[in-house]
Amino acid sequence: AQKITQTQPGMFVQEKEAVTLDCTYDTSDPSYGLFWYKQPSSGEMIFLIYQGSYDQQNATEGRYSLNFQKARKSANLVISASQLGDSAMYFCALGGSYGKLTFGQGTILTVHP
Amino acid sequence: EAQVTQNPRYLITVTGKKLTVTCSQNMNHEYMSWYRQDPGLGLRQIYYSMNVEVTDKGDVPEGYKVSRKEKRNFPLILESPSPNQTSLYFCASSLSKGQNTEAFFGQGTRLTVV
Repeated sequence: AQKITQTQPGMFVQEKEAVTLDCTYDTSDPSYGLFWYKQPSSGEMIFLIYQGSYDQQNATEGRYSLNFQKARKSANLVISASQLGDSAMYFCALGGSYGKLTFGQGTILTVHP
Repeated sequence: EAQVTQNPRYLITVTGKKLTVTCSQNMNHEYMSWYRQDPGLGLRQIYYSMNVEVTDKGDVPEGYKVSRKEKRNFPLILESPSPNQTSLYFCASSLSKGQNTEAFFGQGTRLTVV
């Protein structure tokens, strides 16, 4: 069975600072993918970044980077230079068969000016 | 523009009145899923489809039905809605079946059952 855990229900960060959102996972599959999605207050799910289990380097997409520590089964999202528009719910998800995603509980990020 | 389209975006209904939430994708994806989102639980898969006429249960299928008569469409049917099905629903599609495949989500349907 696959499991994703996000232990931070809410996080606060000052504008222009960096913030790390935690995610740990558990799977018995040797090959898997980890995804981060952003959900603003409008409700849509926005794909941010992806990390494959065999990728040698941590994924980066603009201000988003993924701190992937395979031995610790963690895939933390790092947002650099936070902006007010980053305030949203963030979900970590583990890829499974047939396109299924197993989601964590989510972390609400609030960026203060 | 590549997209997944759900309708309606918002729906308030009464207990027991059958309803259908439509989902359509224009990316020729084989794999489609329905999820529901509830506070503190994240998103949970309801049903998924691997191709036309091939569907299977996800983690929380009770009270829901789906069909896949065409590749692009994957409607979610609530035959007799109950208040515990009040939730935010998402349809998603993906190109392939692998664990490394990104899912594309619809805009969401906020359903309230009174």
